[in-house]
Amino acid sequence: QKEVEQNSGPLSVPEGAIASLNCTYSDRGSQSFFWYRQYSGKSPELIMFIYSNGDKEDGRFTAQLNKASQYVSLLIRDSQPSDSATYLCAVRDSGTYKYIFGTGTRLKVLA
Amino acid sequence: GAGVSQSPSNKVTEKGKDVELRCDPISGHTALYWYRQSLGQGLEFLIYFQGNSAPDKSGLPSDRFSAERTGGSVSTLTIQRTQQEDSAVYLCASSLATGLAGQETQYFGPGTRLLVL
Repeated sequence: QKEVEQNSGPLSVPEGAIASLNCTYSDRGSQSFFWYRQYSGKSPELIMFIYSNGDKEDGRFTAQLNKASQYVSLLIRDSQPSDSATYLCAVRDSGTYKYIFGTGTRLKVLA
Repeated sequence: GAGVSQSPSNKVTEKGKDVELRCDPISGHTALYWYRQSLGQGLEFLIYFQGNSAPDKSGLPSDRFSAERTGGSVSTLTIQRTQQEDSAVYLCASSLATGLAGQETQYFGPGTRLLVL
């Protein structure tokens, strides 16, 4: 059973701080990694995808991938109260086109 | 352009009844996914369709669940003889393609909230 694991949180950070969200996955052959944000009662929406080891930056968001350690993270700089949501990590199964989602980390940014 | 739409937005049914959930993907998207999300849980993969290929049904939890996609566009998820444990939000997502960098981003519909009494 291939798995994606995240700390459920809540992760509380003060406004303006850096929020660090982590995700580990079991499928060593996975090549595609995604971070989605889900506000309460809403559907997930894509924040970033990453395919290569290292960092990928997009505005206040940085995704980090380490395939050797089977680890992907999301950093949110200058966190805002509007960033308060659940962040879902998703990994594409290497043998199929299924996507395995973690249970999500709930982030609370305190004003 | 229009996003992914789902209907109904809410469905309350009695245990043992059949329900049909509908998904209209974004026009031109070849891949369509169904997920189930229980309260406070992550997304559970149910089934996906890619173009004219046979669907991957490996996530369907029982033979009471089935889905079809007609004409490569609209999809219907059917749950027969509903049980209380089927209560969840059913999410549909579509993507331009699968397995291609930058084209496999999934766009989610608003979901159908199913409550089985």
